[in-house]
Amino acid sequence: SQQGEEDPQALSIQEGENATMNCSYKTSINNLQWYRQNSGRGLVHLILIRSNEREKHSGRLRVTLDTSKKSSSLLITASRAADTASYFCATVPSGSSNTGKLIFGQGTTLQVKP
Amino acid sequence: DAGVTQSPTHLIKTRGQHVTLRCSPISGHKSVSWYQQVLGQGPQFIFQYYEKEERGRGNFPDRFSARQFPNYSSELNVNALLLGDSALYLCASSLLNTGELFFGEGSRLTVL
Repeated sequence: SQQGEEDPQALSIQEGENATMNCSYKTSINNLQWYRQNSGRGLVHLILIRSNEREKHSGRLRVTLDTSKKSSSLLITASRAADTASYFCATVPSGSSNTGKLIFGQGTTLQVKP
Repeated sequence: DAGVTQSPTHLIKTRGQHVTLRCSPISGHKSVSWYQQVLGQGPQFIFQYYEKEERGRGNFPDRFSARQFPNYSSELNVNALLLGDSALYLCASSLLNTGELFFGEGSRLTVL
């Protein structure tokens, strides 16, 4: 079963605009990660935020984490057509020593129009 | 450096058959995890192996099994295939304590 929900399920924007995706999860976590997947291929790790962190940046990516609301958001600024992909949040439950076990959300499909 | 490699990339089987999927992790990575991704959904955890021992198992029937070899490569076996086993099977390797997983391109299994 999935850990939580991602919102929206699909997002379509113009190149240059910002894209925001949200993720909610159900249980306490050790960390939360965001991955990108192009057309049913392998997933690529984007960013990891630990439970004691509130915000993290990586290039055009900004991730926030609100553990009180059990939610996270991924912001992609100045989007490009090449950002078109599916984006997944994934969590490692709190207390888990099994760092290979991620619990994924359903994903957000982002389309960036040129 | 080579990433995670998986084989075969695509395969078609019929119900009742078995399948073996293979994965080679990134050099130096001792942890290998397997995930099943059904079309339109997020990946679901199947197994994790570390140093040839099973470290975790997801909610999958006993028809699914895996193992890890001394060179840290891994196999996922699925017996008595069902139509519902049609999916993209993803392998990921990692350094145990960093949290970040490195995924292969997957093996797409179609069961007819």
